[in-house]
Amino acid sequence: DGGITQSPKYLFRKEGQNVTLSCEQNLNHDAMYWYRQDPGQGLRLIYYSQIVNDFQKGDIAEGYSVSREKKESFPLTVTSAQKNPTAFYLCASRGGPNEQFFGPGTRLTVL
Amino acid sequence: QKEVEQNSGPLSVPEGAIASLNCTYSDRVSQSFFWYRQYSGKSPELIMSIYSNGDKEDGRFTAQLNKASQYVSLLIRDSQPSDSATYLCAVNVVFSGGYNKLIFGAGTRLAVHP
Repeated sequence: DGGITQSPKYLFRKEGQNVTLSCEQNLNHDAMYWYRQDPGQGLRLIYYSQIVNDFQKGDIAEGYSVSREKKESFPLTVTSAQKNPTAFYLCASRGGPNEQFFGPGTRLTVL
Repeated sequence: QKEVEQNSGPLSVPEGAIASLNCTYSDRVSQSFFWYRQYSGKSPELIMSIYSNGDKEDGRFTAQLNKASQYVSLLIRDSQPSDSATYLCAVNVVFSGGYNKLIFGAGTRLAVHP
């Protein structure tokens, strides 16, 4: 059963805490993306990776970090430097041509 | 700054009518255009891709692209209450180094009433 999985579905973070959101895909896609969506707003790109061991900052990378050690996995860490992290986080991978497919998302709330 | 503009809505149509959703974009060299449907609380789902000028039909959905006018639209025929969702327009942009990314509009909320 091919697709993109994200975990956890809901995540609660305390002030000053780093948290890591998981994204895994078995679609054999090279490129993967992380987006953030705030209520009533569109998607904003945080980080993207075209291939393993390579990633680029998106439009709102401050306070976030990523790694791409395996083709299947692209975890996102929300650090304490991100002052307003409450949002819906979406991971996507890109097939061809240029179509992106999304995982189910992680809803992060700061307590 | 490359942009994608959509009317936020809500667009309200009666069941069985045609819903017309519109999108304009600023990047003249874009070649790939997409429509996503997003139900409340869920992730976006790709419903249409279009790459050349003209119309592309898939079931009740028709995407229309006019590159000269930098305009892409989505028509939904025989609208159903289950079509009620937010529709996101996305445009692929290629940056130096060959990096691809999608620029999303803020979405149009569609409400189909019985």
